[in-house]
Amino acid sequence: SQQGEEDPQALSIQEGENATMNCSYKTSINNLQWYRQNSGRGLVHLILIRSNEREKHSGRLRVTLDTSKKSSSLLITASRAADTASYFCATDQKGGSEKLVFGKGMKLTVNP
Amino acid sequence: DVKVTQSSRYLVKRTGEKVFLECVQDMDHENMFWYRQDPGLGLRLIYFSYDVKMKEKGDIPEGYSVSREKKERFSLILESASTNQTSMYLCASSLFRGIQPQHFGDGTRLSIL
Repeated sequence: SQQGEEDPQALSIQEGENATMNCSYKTSINNLQWYRQNSGRGLVHLILIRSNEREKHSGRLRVTLDTSKKSSSLLITASRAADTASYFCATDQKGGSEKLVFGKGMKLTVNP
Repeated sequence: DVKVTQSSRYLVKRTGEKVFLECVQDMDHENMFWYRQDPGLGLRLIYFSYDVKMKEKGDIPEGYSVSREKKERFSLILESASTNQTSMYLCASSLFRGIQPQHFGDGTRLSIL
């Protein structure tokens, strides 16, 4: 069962620009996580935001969460070619199992 | 640093074979997970485990089983491999019960001929 859905599915930008990715989900959550996957590698955890938080920062990453709209956004500022990867949001389900449900992912290409 | 190791990066097997995919984590994590990743479908959870000898079904357990005899090792077993099980398989672990960041291995790309 897919919970999070990333939007857009693909994004191509120039180095130095900001990249914004959105995630929408269907049911109430305890928290939402963002992951990055470089080509041919496993996923790497980027940031976790809890349902009672609205915004969180980590280096060049900024994540927002709007539980009323059931959506989250990941902003990467001053993008670099090394940010080229697929990005996934993942949610748990409030009152449900502790497992994560991942979206289908979004491909970001940062052109040098 | 956190390390999740999957035994093979690439594996080719034949239809009907019994296939074992191994995953080892060195962080004393309680939870371990097996996913498969297919284009257009994202990651789907096959099985997970909260403790030694414990297992719970994920979203797509059919055709798979798992084994966790030791805390650090979580094996995925394809009882009788079929071509529709050709996929990228990802193992992950997390520290303890409750929602935690998951740490992933680099995956095993399995082809069933």
